[in-house]
Amino acid sequence: EPEVTQTPSHQVTQMGQEVILRCVPISNHLYFYWYRQILGQKVEFLVSFYNNEISEKSEIFDDQFSVERPDGSNFTLKIRSTKLEDSAMYFCASGTSGLARDNEQFFGPGTRLTVL
Amino acid sequence: GENVEQHPSTLSVQEGDSAVIKCTYSDSASNYFPWYKQELGKRPQLIIDIRSNVGEKKDQRIAVTLNKTAKHFSLHITETQPEDSAVYFCAAPLSGGYNKLIFGAGTRLAVHP
Repeated sequence: EPEVTQTPSHQVTQMGQEVILRCVPISNHLYFYWYRQILGQKVEFLVSFYNNEISEKSEIFDDQFSVERPDGSNFTLKIRSTKLEDSAMYFCASGTSGLARDNEQFFGPGTRLTVL
Repeated sequence: GENVEQHPSTLSVQEGDSAVIKCTYSDSASNYFPWYKQELGKRPQLIIDIRSNVGEKKDQRIAVTLNKTAKHFSLHITETQPEDSAVYFCAAPLSGGYNKLIFGAGTRLAVHP
């Protein structure tokens, strides 16, 4: 069964450094998402992406964040200047339909980002 | 504002008992309600979902019920087993958000042998 994959599984970085989290969505999916989960808390929506542009983003997704689909298979989340509070598990998800109200979203295994 | 309320935050049951987790949502236009199970350190896994054209859906020991009038939906697990122990999250698309799911705060279910 196809799955969303993410790399790396764990990323440790110094505050102020840039990080890029990588995701390979399920191949026939067209809608892509990033979520984050601070340890022990709920999953929070960051951004959705379709047709090479952001379709929706949350208040968390400020100017320090960007997303890209550089080559038709990878979907990346970049944090330009990491802060301590960016430490969290970041999940990529993908789906076949553009409507979250009718859309099964399949999650990747996550990247644990630790900012020191 | 955007919110999905989930109760209880923790639930402890004996093996074989039933467990019920409830969620309420605010956007009456929402019509898709997934439930995710997350084991420690792992990804959320979709276990069941329901669309608003039905009031109940069952899959073996798991069922979900939906009350659109009251804007709440519930997860029912019967004959619980220790491997059901996990955190369960409900979710709903809110505020005209075509592309985002808002998650509940989660319920930590512990099934004791």
